[in-house]
Amino acid sequence: TQLLEQSPQFLSIQEGENLTVYCNSSSVFSSLQWYRQEPGEGPVLLVTVVTGGEVKKLKRLTFQFGDARKDSSLHITAAQPGDTGLYLCAGPNTPLVFGKGTRLSVIA
Amino acid sequence: NAGVTQTPKFRILKIGQSMTLQCTQDMNHNYMYWYRQDPGMGLKLIYYSVGAGITDKGEVPNGYNVSRSTTEDFPLRLELAAPSQTSVYFCASRGRISGEETQYFGPGTRLLVL
Repeated sequence: TQLLEQSPQFLSIQEGENLTVYCNSSSVFSSLQWYRQEPGEGPVLLVTVVTGGEVKKLKRLTFQFGDARKDSSLHITAAQPGDTGLYLCAGPNTPLVFGKGTRLSVIA
Repeated sequence: NAGVTQTPKFRILKIGQSMTLQCTQDMNHNYMYWYRQDPGMGLKLIYYSVGAGITDKGEVPNGYNVSRSTTEDFPLRLELAAPSQTSVYFCASRGRISGEETQYFGPGTRLLVL
């Protein structure tokens, strides 16, 4: 079973700060996905990274896939209260393998 | 498309009661999943299905049953509710859009077992 470890588990920051969360595995993945789950909602796909070393940007969010395709990071610039939620990374297998998530709270 | 719909949104059960959580998707996806999410935690896979008539256990299947008689529907059955089954249940389907595999989640069913 491929496991995904996410860190930190919890993160509370002030509006305007930058942050990075991580997703690591001992296994190689053909791709990784990042989801965001807002309070009271189901997770929603943010991005899929496929190529080792790939960097994708989604407004203030920057996603990177490690060169060896065993890890990924999500960097948020100038965090806003609307970024609050649970960030989950997931591997591409069937069934989809989810990490336990990073719970982010951005305080105004 | 409505996507993935779940009913009910919220339910309170007494210990030992049974219920069925309904899940329907209108995207013609073959893959469907049931997850539970305990407070402050990530997602744990209960059961999944790769197509009509085919189901398989996930990480935490005990106390639950599923069926998949049609592509659209994937109901989750709790036979003898226990307090440990208090959780939020998410149904999801998986398909390809613009060449990218995406998992679509329903809005969830909040279950409280007292």
